[in-house]
Amino acid sequence: ETGVTQSPTHLIKTRGQQVTLRCSSQSGHNTVSWYQQALGQGPQFIFQYYREEENGRGNFPPRFSGLQFPNYSSELNVNALELDDSALYLCASSLNNLRGMNTEAFFGQGTRLTVV
Amino acid sequence: AQSVTQLGSHVSVSEGALVLLRCNYSSSVPPYLFWYVQYPNQGLQLLLKYTTGATLVKGINGFEAEFKKSETSFHLTKPSAHMSDAAEYFCAVSLMIYNQGGKLIFGQGTELSVKP
Repeated sequence: ETGVTQSPTHLIKTRGQQVTLRCSSQSGHNTVSWYQQALGQGPQFIFQYYREEENGRGNFPPRFSGLQFPNYSSELNVNALELDDSALYLCASSLNNLRGMNTEAFFGQGTRLTVV
Repeated sequence: AQSVTQLGSHVSVSEGALVLLRCNYSSSVPPYLFWYVQYPNQGLQLLLKYTTGATLVKGINGFEAEFKKSETSFHLTKPSAHMSDAAEYFCAVSLMIYNQGGKLIFGQGTELSVKP
């Protein structure tokens, strides 16, 4: 059991709507990364949050945004949903030490988003 | 740029047979390498990782992998397959340098089937 929890587990939204996904990081971890895993594909890095700021971003449009809170939990927001946004969204937490190095990432169970 | 290629989207073995899942990477700097396993409708679980030091890495559930710099490979093996090993396996590379720590680049995945 990794201790990374995501909510909700499943979600159905209509094209054009907005969605918020939530992630609680593992105890002692200060960094959260989000990944999108389309059906039959490997996870794709969306962005990472450290100290409540974005710390690296993958090739995703600005309608994908995030937040990190003082307790290190995080949200992923997606505006103007498109059909291709249907995927499993994975959250991973890790510890970024004082030298900026990250320990291994522990993943949550994911949120399955379906856009219709 | 970093990339990961997993050779074979689907591998099928008999119970008790050798498991060999292939992974080749491309990286401009020394990489950190990982193998993750994903069971249906679940998140990713870390099997093993290579950071520095010994190139033969042992992981959980009897899996091991060998980092071969000259071949840019990090193949995953297990001497004897078990039915419970049936899952999707992902190879990933990371750059553990400042401000890029924790971002994982995944391969497309290899689905392992185990026949009784």
